[in-house]
Amino acid sequence: AQSVTQLGSHVSVSEGALVLLRCNYSSSVPPYLFWYVQYPNQGLQLLLKYTTGATLVKGINGFEAEFKKSETSFHLTKPSAHMSDAAEYFCAVSADSGAGSYQLTFGKGTKLSVIP
Amino acid sequence: GAGVSQSPSNKVTEKGKDVELRCDPISGHTALYWYRQSLGQGLEFLIYFQGNSAPDKSGLPSDRFSAERTGGSVSTLTIQRTQQEDSAVYLCASSTRQGRIAEAFFGQGTRLTVV
Repeated sequence: AQSVTQLGSHVSVSEGALVLLRCNYSSSVPPYLFWYVQYPNQGLQLLLKYTTGATLVKGINGFEAEFKKSETSFHLTKPSAHMSDAAEYFCAVSADSGAGSYQLTFGKGTKLSVIP
Repeated sequence: GAGVSQSPSNKVTEKGKDVELRCDPISGHTALYWYRQSLGQGLEFLIYFQGNSAPDKSGLPSDRFSAERTGGSVSTLTIQRTQQEDSAVYLCASSTRQGRIAEAFFGQGTRLTVV
């Protein structure tokens, strides 16, 4: 079984400040890890993903995340926050439930507010 | 189509009525997933289709919930005898299966309100 824990349901940062959203996972098999963003009244949009290879992955809108196996973490960062980054962010792990579905198991989400 | 399309975008129904939610996945995507997003439970997996078959129904919360997919394309999620706790946003996602990679593309969701 797999699970995802996102630390902090709400995070506030000032415009231009570093964004750090924390995600820890557990998985009985090597995980595939994802960050999704959800803007109000919209669906989920993929920001970035880790499958294999380089542990530092870059995504859209200047976001990146680093897979750290020893810490079972996949934290999301962005050097400088923009007002447009205000949204809810979901970390997810993909692993086979045994039925071949590889469905995503999501964290509870972190709502990011950006203060002008 | 260009993206995953879900209809209706909003649905208000009376308790006890049946509802049908529709998902039109990206053309050529063989895998299709339904998720439910609610305030108390976050994002929950409901069911997975590969083609027209559903090898993983483990997330369906009760026998009031069912889903089908025809022609390897459009899927319908049906909730019978709706209850207030069924109020949520129902999200559909599709993907092309390439080995174990499961990058899913999500629709905008259907917001279901049971009154």
